[in-house]
Amino acid sequence: DIQMTQSPSSLSASVGDRVTITCRARQTITNFLNWYQQKPGKAPKLLIYAASSLQSGVPSRFSGSGSGTHFTLTISSLQPEDFATYYCQQTYNTPHTFGQGTKLEIK
Amino acid sequence: EVQLLESGGGLVQPGGSLRLSCAASGFTFSSYAMSWVRQAPGKGLEWVSAVSGSGGISFYADSVKGRFTISRDNSKNTLYLQMDSLRADDTAVYYCAKSQDFVVVVAAGCDYWGQGTLVTVSS
Repeated sequence: DIQMTQSPSSLSASVGDRVTITCRARQTITNFLNWYQQKPGKAPKLLIYAASSLQSGVPSRFSGSGSGTHFTLTISSLQPEDFATYYCQQTYNTPHTFGQGTKLEIK
Repeated sequence: EVQLLESGGGLVQPGGSLRLSCAASGFTFSSYAMSWVRQAPGKGLEWVSAVSGSGGISFYADSVKGRFTISRDNSKNTLYLQMDSLRADDTAVYYCAKSQDFVVVVAAGCDYWGQGTLVTVSS
């Protein structure tokens, strides 16, 4: 199985801040890396696929980068609705493992 | 509009069985792989299983292999998850999700998700 490790596990930030979340794969997954946002009691929402492609309808303040084993999700200017938990997921091989999540909280 | 509607969750005793269904609409169902992802209470997301668009190829997490069976009926636009020999650690909200690709491996992420159905395994 390909282990995915996110950091940090939690993060406090303010509206307007620039935030970066990191995801590392134990082995190369080329660019088959996705980012999801999940709010309490809701289903996950796809933000970024193929490491850097912005899903339709997702605000441009979200961006993704990386390839191989190291990936980042950046939110350029936090908005109140961005406070949620974020997960990375690799779809290079099965099982399609998720990272443990990063909870983004209001400072 | 794409819609995924799960059903079939509920309370079941350890060792019991349940079959989850996911009714899909708003897209050409047979053209896309489908997945089941679960989330135990207060925990993160766990990928459970996926099936190709044709239904001919399926994959499972080690934690459910041999106990769960994924299937799809493309004539009914419905995805299933047959869950046997259920254990307490299978307790979770189960989501069905649509892939952006026909295949499962080396694929893009899941762009649509259902609202989830709760499975509780307890005596």
